[in-house]
Amino acid sequence: DGGITQSPKYLFRKEGQNVTLSCEQNLNHDAMYWYRQDPGQGLRLIYYSQIVNDFQKGDIAEGYSVSREKKESFPLTVTSAQKNPTAFYLCASNNPNSNQPQHFGDGTRLSIL
Amino acid sequence: GQNIDQPTEMTATEGAIVQINCTYQTSGFNGLFWYQQHAGEAPTFLSYNVLDGLEEKGRFSSFLSRSKGYSYLLLKELQMKDSASYLCAVRDQGRNTPLVFGKGTRLSVIA
Repeated sequence: DGGITQSPKYLFRKEGQNVTLSCEQNLNHDAMYWYRQDPGQGLRLIYYSQIVNDFQKGDIAEGYSVSREKKESFPLTVTSAQKNPTAFYLCASNNPNSNQPQHFGDGTRLSIL
Repeated sequence: GQNIDQPTEMTATEGAIVQINCTYQTSGFNGLFWYQQHAGEAPTFLSYNVLDGLEEKGRFSSFLSRSKGYSYLLLKELQMKDSASYLCAVRDQGRNTPLVFGKGTRLSVIA
């Protein structure tokens, strides 16, 4: 089945630790996105990538880093510089330059120990 | 700047009709999307409007007025499973730009 796979579903981070959230898609989409969602809040854009080896900062990129070495994969690293990382993280993809909606993965819930 | 407004919460009765409004002020406009999101799950796509008017898809319809910066999502014959958050999102520039999301409207359907 085609889709977007995020792993793990739940993740716990210790203070001062970096963690990496995985996002893989087999939809052959060029563009991939990372959003953060806090309780009662909408989705806020962290980073996005429209093509391999290129990515752009979103509205809340501080404390996060990404890479796009393969079309299928767009991992997000939450660094120790992100002081309030507890949130629900959603990865999405689509083909830009089209009217296609973004398709979302099932999300990763990150908590601080 | 970009601003997308939706009511925070709504309650409606099973079998009834509910209208969820969305107003937007963005630097440009290139399409409006509605998503449904159940608690703890991923958003799922419901509808897309880029021209003025009504788009109907089964029990769900979405309306757009670009001159007023206004859209609504209409849900008919409400079912308990429609209890979810509904997210309005706007693409404010070209097709290759990310969506800007509102904070969502949490709909509770009661018996």
